[in-house]
Amino acid sequence: EPEVTQTPSHQVTQMGQEVILRCVPISNHLYFYWYRQILGQKVEFLVSFYNNEISEKSEIFDDQFSVERPDGSNFTLKIRSTKLEDSAMYFCAGSGQGTTTGNQPQHFGDGTRLSIL
Amino acid sequence: AQKITQTQPGMFVQEKEAVTLDCTYDTSDQSYGLFWYKQPSSGEMIFLIYQGSYDEQNATEGRYSLNFQKARKSANLVISASQLGDSAMYFCAMREWQTGANNLFFGTGTRLTVIP
Repeated sequence: EPEVTQTPSHQVTQMGQEVILRCVPISNHLYFYWYRQILGQKVEFLVSFYNNEISEKSEIFDDQFSVERPDGSNFTLKIRSTKLEDSAMYFCAGSGQGTTTGNQPQHFGDGTRLSIL
Repeated sequence: AQKITQTQPGMFVQEKEAVTLDCTYDTSDQSYGLFWYKQPSSGEMIFLIYQGSYDEQNATEGRYSLNFQKARKSANLVISASQLGDSAMYFCAMREWQTGANNLFFGTGTRLTVIP
């Protein structure tokens, strides 16, 4: 069964440094997402991406964050100047074209654990 | 108001018994979908089951079934014949399709422990 692949599985970065998290979605997916989960807390939506542009973003997704899909396969999340509070598990997800009732599940990668020192 | 509420931070169940994990939701949309995900200790998020707001039948997937009570705005997950491998965090999530939004809103999760 096709999978969403995320790399690296664990990233340790000094505060203030830039970090890029990478994702290879399932090939026939059209919608792409990033979520984060701070340790022990619920999963929070960051951003969705469709047709090569951001379709929605949450208030968490501020100017420090950016996403792109540079080559039609990889989907990246960049954090420009990391802060301690950016430490979390970051999940990439994708889904196909839904029906009007939106029944397409989002398939998640295994996540990247980001630790900011 | 929280869009998804999971009131059980932790649940225990005896192996081979059934267990119900509660989920209530809050939306004014007519079109929405409800999802359950399993998160083992290794951290990945595994899709389990989906229920659409217009579905008249409760969703079932193997040992998982969803007890959907639309008037009560609840979408409880029932796991039958629990196995040790079912021990994990379980998250209920919702997508409000009518607004055109695609993102999922997650609850705080329920940690299920299966006792041998």
